[in-house]
Amino acid sequence: AQRVTQPEKLLSVFKGAPVELKCNYSYSGSPELFWYVQYSRQRLQLLLRHISRESIKGFTADLNKGETSFHLKKPFAQEEDSAMYYCALRPSGSARQLTFGSGTQLTVLP
Amino acid sequence: KAGVTQTPRYLIKTRGQQVTLSCSPISGHRSVSWYQQTPGQGLQFLFEYFSETQRNKGNFPGRFSGRQFSNSRSEMNVSTLELGDSALYLCASSLGGRTLRHTEAFFGQGTRLTVV
Repeated sequence: AQRVTQPEKLLSVFKGAPVELKCNYSYSGSPELFWYVQYSRQRLQLLLRHISRESIKGFTADLNKGETSFHLKKPFAQEEDSAMYYCALRPSGSARQLTFGSGTQLTVLP
Repeated sequence: KAGVTQTPRYLIKTRGQQVTLSCSPISGHRSVSWYQQTPGQGLQFLFEYFSETQRNKGNFPGRFSGRQFSNSRSEMNVSTLELGDSALYLCASSLGGRTLRHTEAFFGQGTRLTVV
């Protein structure tokens, strides 16, 4: 079975500082990895997915299969980045469900 | 385009009762998945429906069931409610195919169920 671990429940950084939210996974096959974000009083929404190799709102994430990690990074944090971030994995094959990590609450201080 | 709509938003039920939650997916989406979110267990997958058929199922007891209608709307039912069923229940819809565009999941705002 697959598992996603986000070791930090809470993370605070100052505005303009770099931020890295950690995500490690365990899965024997080739997974699809995602980052979801939930801003205050809003619904959960997709931030980015590894297969797209894109940068969204200045965030990037690289899948490291050797370290089984998919850390989310942003070089200069903004106050509007404060939110709950979830790392999620979808297994390869016919299974469609997402396995989520426990989430990291990011607070960007002024 | 309207987003995923879940009704009701809040629900209070008594132990032993049953409850039905509803999810209307984005127009054109054929896949609907349900998740349970609790402080202790986080977000856990319940089941997925595609074209009125259950395609995947998570590790939940048989008291949790669902169905999908021909218009892709889905309902989730929980029978014989327990205190531990108190949670936020999220529904997500997607096109349901296998291409990149088809697998993106869009979430509703959830139904907050409290069992007393």
